[in-house]
Formats: sequence, C-alpha cells, structure tokens
Amino acid sequence: QKEVEQDPGPLSVPEGAIVSLNCTYSNSAFQYFMWYRQYSRKGPELLMYTYSSGNKEDGRFTAQVDKSSKYISLFIRDSQPSDSATYLCAMSAELTGGGNKLTFGTGTQLKVEL
Amino acid sequence: NAGVTQTPKFQVLKTGQSMTLQCAQDMNHNSMYWYRQDPGMGLRLIYYSASEGTTDKGEVPNGYNVSRLNKREFSLRLESAAPSQTSVYFCASTGGTNLYEQYFGPGTRLTVT
Repeated sequence: QKEVEQDPGPLSVPEGAIVSLNCTYSNSAFQYFMWYRQYSRKGPELLMYTYSSGNKEDGRFTAQVDKSSKYISLFIRDSQPSDSATYLCAMSAELTGGGNKLTFGTGTQLKVEL
Repeated sequence: NAGVTQTPKFQVLKTGQSMTLQCAQDMNHNSMYWYRQDPGMGLRLIYYSASEGTTDKGEVPNGYNVSRLNKREFSLRLESAAPSQTSVYFCASTGGTNLYEQYFGPGTRLTVT
C-alpha cells in the first residue's frame, strides 16, 4: 500500500465549476500537507500548505486537512481554464540530518473547459 | 534570480552509456533533492543533500550517484544507463523560511534506448 493515495483522474469540468481534489495517507508522522500544481512539461510549484487540521483559504483555493481521518482536500472555486494542470498532494516528514522529505501523491490531472 | 536550473533539458542515451545531470540554485538553500517522475508513480526521491558536504539515499537510489559540489550545485550521475531509467528528472531545493517548501527546476527528460 502506498503511503499517499491520490485519484489520478483525469478530471474534466466546465469553467466556473467547483473542483474537489483529494488524497488519503497512512503515515501519522506527516506534519505538513501541501498541494503542488504542475503545468505540462514544467516543474511542480507550491500552491498551498497547511500544518494542522482545519481549513486554509487563499483566493479561490481552499485546503482542508482532517488528521483523524488521514484525509486532505483541495477545493477550487470558480474554476478557470488556466487552472488546467496536474495537482499533486505532498506530505512532509523530517529527514535525519536535516531537511524535509516530501512524499507525493501520483497527481490528479484537471482540465477546465470553456 | 533564476531559482533552480537544470541541464540538459532533454537527453537520449543508449543502454550502458553514462551521463551527469546538473542542477544549480541561486537561493542560498541548504538542502537539495533529486526526484524522478514516472506516469502513475508520482515523484520519487532518488538522493538528497541536507547540507553542503552530505548526501543520503532516498527511495530509489539504485543505479545513481550524486555529488554536492558546493552549496549551489548538486549533480546526479548515471554510470550505466538502463531503459528503466527513462524518466523525467527534477532537482529541488529548500532552505528558506518555509523548510517544507521545495522549489523545483524545469526538469530533464531522459530516454534510454
């Protein structure tokens, strides 16, 4: 069983729809929970992060963490064609000697259509 | 401020050939990482360097070696390439205020025939 599970999609929605992306995880040592966005043929870039259970909002994006259920979500309101990308969840645990190890989900491919 | 840069962008190798992927960051970050990304597998950590002078194995280190040349540069070497190493390779760094935020380079697309 993978430490992080994410539905790969693809997910196709009309412009203006609310999008829900989800990941589940099994490792209780994960401390930080992140969402990265990756456009085609580009490197991932950090979209949002959360530390504790609860919600965090940034513009049209809301990240939600439920540590008791080991479940995280990303909601995108009023989705735009420019949101079309692959969304990767990632979870962080400290590495021996410093730094952080990120464990990634496989990514969900999202397409927002006009 | 270029962030994280990687060279080359594309490479085709024959089985058994060797090559080095180069990575550099100009953000004065302490930690650097090498990942590979394969369809259906997500990003997997190959090697990392928590600080200058140290390197450690990640999840999938077999067939690779790394060198942390200085604080800026972290290279990944394939000594004898195999078709199973066909992948997209990403370098990342971290070390700013947010230690969990990794900054990624644009990637190197490697094909081994």
